[in-house]
Amino acid sequence: EDKVVQSPLSLVVHEGDTVTLNCSYEVTNFRSLLWYKQEKKAPTFLFMLTSSGIEKKSGRLSSILDKKELFSILNITATQTGDSAVYLCAVVPGTYKYIFGTGTRLKVLA
Amino acid sequence: DGGITQSPKYLFRKEGQNVTLSCEQNLNHDAMYWYRQDPGQGLRLIYYSQIVNDFQKGDIAEGYSVSREKKESFPLTVTSAQKNPTAFYLCASSIPGRAYEQYFGPGTRLTVT
Repeated sequence: EDKVVQSPLSLVVHEGDTVTLNCSYEVTNFRSLLWYKQEKKAPTFLFMLTSSGIEKKSGRLSSILDKKELFSILNITATQTGDSAVYLCAVVPGTYKYIFGTGTRLKVLA
Repeated sequence: DGGITQSPKYLFRKEGQNVTLSCEQNLNHDAMYWYRQDPGQGLRLIYYSQIVNDFQKGDIAEGYSVSREKKESFPLTVTSAQKNPTAFYLCASSIPGRAYEQYFGPGTRLTVT
């Protein structure tokens, strides 16, 4: 059965800290891995990763995929209170289906 | 502005009643999806549609029904057969051939008492 596991489930840090969120997966086919940020309602897209070892970066956020070990990490440096959210990882094993993990709830304290 | 709209934002129903959640998109996307999100859980796929007049069951389709008569619209009906319908419902769409990036609507929070 295809599955995506995220860890930790929740995390509390102070502003300025660096955090690493983990996403591991087991799927029969692999097309891509996506990271989303969900604050209150709709998840917003952060990154899509398809190739191993290539880091995607956007400001203080970065992500990398390891297709051999079947995992991805999302790094957030110099965290701010605005980074508080649920971070979702999803794997696309086919053209139309997405498998989501349970998410990591991040709380950044001022 | 292009995007996905869902209505209503909050919905309250009595047990035993069917209820329909609206999802409309003006992004010209062929593929549309319905997810359910419960506290502490990720998104679980209810139904998806790759093209007009065609849809497939996702992982938790029991107690739900959909239609796709127009490209822009993909309404979800939560029937009385759904045992635990109280949840947050998210609609999404994606570009054909680029099904990797999904765009999400703002969600509908359904409470059934």
